[in-house]
Amino acid sequence: QLVLTQSPAASASLGTSVRLTCALSSGHGSYAIAWHQQQPEKGPRYLMKLNGDGSHNNGDGIPDRFSGSSSGAERYLTISSLQSDDEADYYCQTWGTGIVVFGGGTKLTVL
Amino acid sequence: QVHLVESGGGVVQPGRSLRLSCAASGFSSTSYAIHWVCQAPGKGLEWVASISHDGRNKYYADSVKGRFTISRDNSKNTVYLQMDSLRAEDTAVYYCARDWGGNSFYWYFDLWGRGTLVTVSS
Repeated sequence: QLVLTQSPAASASLGTSVRLTCALSSGHGSYAIAWHQQQPEKGPRYLMKLNGDGSHNNGDGIPDRFSGSSSGAERYLTISSLQSDDEADYYCQTWGTGIVVFGGGTKLTVL
Repeated sequence: QVHLVESGGGVVQPGRSLRLSCAASGFSSTSYAIHWVCQAPGKGLEWVASISHDGRNKYYADSVKGRFTISRDNSKNTVYLQMDSLRAEDTAVYYCARDWGGNSFYWYFDLWGRGTLVTVSS
C-alpha cells in the first residue's frame, strides 16, 4: 500500500534552515513526490516536484530558498533563511495511475 | 494571472446532493487534467477525484466511488463535482487543482484554487 509518512510538527528559528521529511512506504522507495505549502486559512501552493534521485523543479515563483533532496525512500524539503510567512503546513504527495496519496502534513512553526 | 475558482459549496442535509464547480481563468483548462482534493476541518489533504483533459478518463477515491461524479464542460472552461448521497464525513473544504502534465496525467498539482466549504449536517 502506497503511504507517505510525515512528522506532525517541526520548528526552527527565523533566519535559520529546517529540513522536513517525507517517507515512502516499503516497495515504493523510488517514487517521485511533490511538495505543497498551505499557509493558514489559504489553499495549498505547489512548491516542487522531487524525484528519487534528488533532482527537483521548483514551481513558478518559488524561491531557491526552497530545495529538495532524496535519500533512499526518504524525500526532504529544506527551507533556508526562514521567514515568518514560511510558517505553514507542508504536505508531500505521490501517485500511481488512478490514485493520489498525501502525507499527513508537517506543521512548521517559525520561532 | 492564472486562477482556479471553486464555487457551489454550502450547508446540505445528509443524503442530499450538491454540485461544485471549478472555473479556470487565465489559461485554457481544456488542455489539462483537473483534480478535486478535500480537507476536513483541522485535518490533512485527501484526494477525491480526477478527470482527463478531454473528459474520457475519470478516477475516484474509494471513499466517494459510486456517490460522486466528476465531469467537465470544456466550452465553459469548467470542471464539476456532483456529490450525491452526502454524509457527515464529507464535510470539508473542496479544492480543485490543475495537473502539471497538460494533456497527459502527471498526477501532481501545480495550481490550486482557494476552495469551497461543504457542510453536511441536519
